[in-house]
Amino acid sequence: EVQLVESGGGLVQPGGSLRLSCAASGFTFIYYWMAWVRQAPGKGLEWVASIKEDGSERYYVDSVKGRFTIFKDDAKNSLYLQMNSLRAEDTAVYYCVRAGWELDYWGQGTLVVVSS
Amino acid sequence: DVVMTQSPLSLPVTLGQPASISCRSSQSLVSSDGNTYLNWFQQRPGQSPRRLIYKVSNRDSGVPDRFSGSGSGTDFTLKISRVEAEDVGVYYCFQGGYRPPFTFGPGTRVDIK
Repeated sequence: EVQLVESGGGLVQPGGSLRLSCAASGFTFIYYWMAWVRQAPGKGLEWVASIKEDGSERYYVDSVKGRFTIFKDDAKNSLYLQMNSLRAEDTAVYYCVRAGWELDYWGQGTLVVVSS
Repeated sequence: DVVMTQSPLSLPVTLGQPASISCRSSQSLVSSDGNTYLNWFQQRPGQSPRRLIYKVSNRDSGVPDRFSGSGSGTDFTLKISRVEAEDVGVYYCFQGGYRPPFTFGPGTRVDIK
């Protein structure tokens, strides 16, 4: 059974940093693109970032370019999102999602609140 | 970037009646490899999103056959043949393309009249 378990969310001040983690299991992690998708409170879904299975390609939504970094550790079957220079508009539930365009399996999400 | 629009944004439906959601993209979603990476997701209240349909019309495992997807180019439709109470939630279309950036539609909220 595919499982994606996010962690690392919490309350952070504007300008601060946070690293989200996603522990993957139930599939061969090294074979899949992975992604982060977020949802601001009461709003719709927004694709944030994707990483190719070998880590050689990374893509970001314009609003986070230069501030967020997606990376993975295949030895730990884990996906990460390093978030720097956080803004109030980054407040959202962040979902770890398997694959590129497929987005076939989703985690339960972790809440990030950016507020002073 | 590709912009996705949906209509309606709110859809009250009667149990047992059909429902239809339209999704339009600002440019053709036919990729250079010949595929159309248009997916549909359902998000029930308080839950994570769940994929229902991939590549326009392919139903995911475990998705009831009352859900169907169709369309081509820039115009796509999700249909529910007979709405059930468990179908309440928000439905999103999504364009994947061959490479990012990817975009979701704004969502259509389906509830029971």
